[in-house]
Amino acid sequence: EPEVTQTPSHQVTQMGQEVILRCVPISNHLYFYWYRQILGQKVEFLVSFYNNEISEKSEIFDDQFSVERPDGSNFTLKIRSTKLEDSAMYFCATDYRGTGELFFGEGSRLTVL
Amino acid sequence: GENVEQHPSTLSVQEGDSAVIKCTYSDSASNYFPWYKQELGKRPQLIIDIRSNVGEKKDQRIAVTLNKTAKHFSLHITETQPEDSAVYFCAAINSWGNTPLVFGKGTRLSVIA
Repeated sequence: EPEVTQTPSHQVTQMGQEVILRCVPISNHLYFYWYRQILGQKVEFLVSFYNNEISEKSEIFDDQFSVERPDGSNFTLKIRSTKLEDSAMYFCATDYRGTGELFFGEGSRLTVL
Repeated sequence: GENVEQHPSTLSVQEGDSAVIKCTYSDSASNYFPWYKQELGKRPQLIIDIRSNVGEKKDQRIAVTLNKTAKHFSLHITETQPEDSAVYFCAAINSWGNTPLVFGKGTRLSVIA
């Protein structure tokens, strides 16, 4: 069964450092998302991406965040200058038709010290 | 935007008993309602979903009901087993709008053997 893959599985970084989280979507899926889950809390929407541009973003997705699909396969989330409160599990999810039937990756756990 | 409320936040049941988790949503245009199960440290996994043209859907021991008028939907797990212990999230989306899937805060279900 095709899967969404994410790397790294865990990253530890110092506050103020840049972090890039990578996702390989399921090959025929057209809609890509990043969600965040702070430990013990709900899954929060960050950003959606379709046709090589952001289609929607949440209040969490401020100027410190960016997304891109640099090579037609990877879908990346960049945090320019990490803060302690960015520590969370970041999930990439993809959707074939944009109908909400999301397939989640295993997640990337970010720890900011 | 959509707002999803979920209750209870924690639920303990004896093995073999039934568990019910309830969610309400705010956007009457929402038409797709998935339920996700998340085990500790793992990704959310879709376990059942329902669309707004259906009032009830069942898959073995799990079922979901939807009341569009009241804007609430529920997950029912019968004959609970210890492996049902996890956090369950409801979610809602208007699949025809350019809006993301919005999650409830989750219910931690503990099935006591």
